[in-house]
Amino acid sequence: GNSVTQMEGPVTLSEEAFLTINCTYTATGYPSLFWYVQYPGEGLQLLLKATKADDKGSNKGFEATYRKETTSFHLEKGSVQVSDSAVYFCALSDPPYYGGSQGNLIFGKGTKLSVKP
Amino acid sequence: DARVTQTPRHKVTEMGQEVTMRCQPILGHNTVFWYRQTMMQGLELLAYFRNRAPLDDSGMPKDRFSAEMPDATLATLKIQPSEPRDSAVYFCASGPNFKDRASLNQPQHFGDGTRLSIL
Repeated sequence: GNSVTQMEGPVTLSEEAFLTINCTYTATGYPSLFWYVQYPGEGLQLLLKATKADDKGSNKGFEATYRKETTSFHLEKGSVQVSDSAVYFCALSDPPYYGGSQGNLIFGKGTKLSVKP
Repeated sequence: DARVTQTPRHKVTEMGQEVTMRCQPILGHNTVFWYRQTMMQGLELLAYFRNRAPLDDSGMPKDRFSAEMPDATLATLKIQPSEPRDSAVYFCASGPNFKDRASLNQPQHFGDGTRLSIL
């Protein structure tokens, strides 16, 4: 079945360090891919998305490129800030089937990022 | 900004008690999801609805959990009787009518969750 695998956390970085959080997926068809972020005490928020191969999603300095050949969607940021401390979830949408789709998201287990001043 | 509203934000109760969690989806969204988040299992999909009809509740323990949408502005998740292993954060999310590939690209919008502790 469809699945998402993220690198295990927690990840601890110093401010202004480079961030990579790895995400790979298994899916039939052509899913859309998402990164969600969860700040402490809050629900998940969409960070960025990519809907087809070679698309690059970007937001707030974060980027991820949809790589079909490696089935990956790694999250990167060139210079992290303390305010980026959160849990990051990679997700894919259930590909549509004939007649429509349920719009499900399949999430990875999340990667906790802590950024120290 | 339109938001998904969940109540209560926190709930502490004793084992065996009934727990009801409520969710108000974003106006116009017709797909509603219930998730449970724990440290051990991560984020699990419990059930989801479209146009108030349940589409899939296979992720939910049927003997004690029930999910309903009495109207388009309210979704409920009930646990009766509650058990300590039900302690978790329960999230509701809503989305548009996921009927075509374009709408799949629309994100789900999450509420801030109900943090449930069963003693």
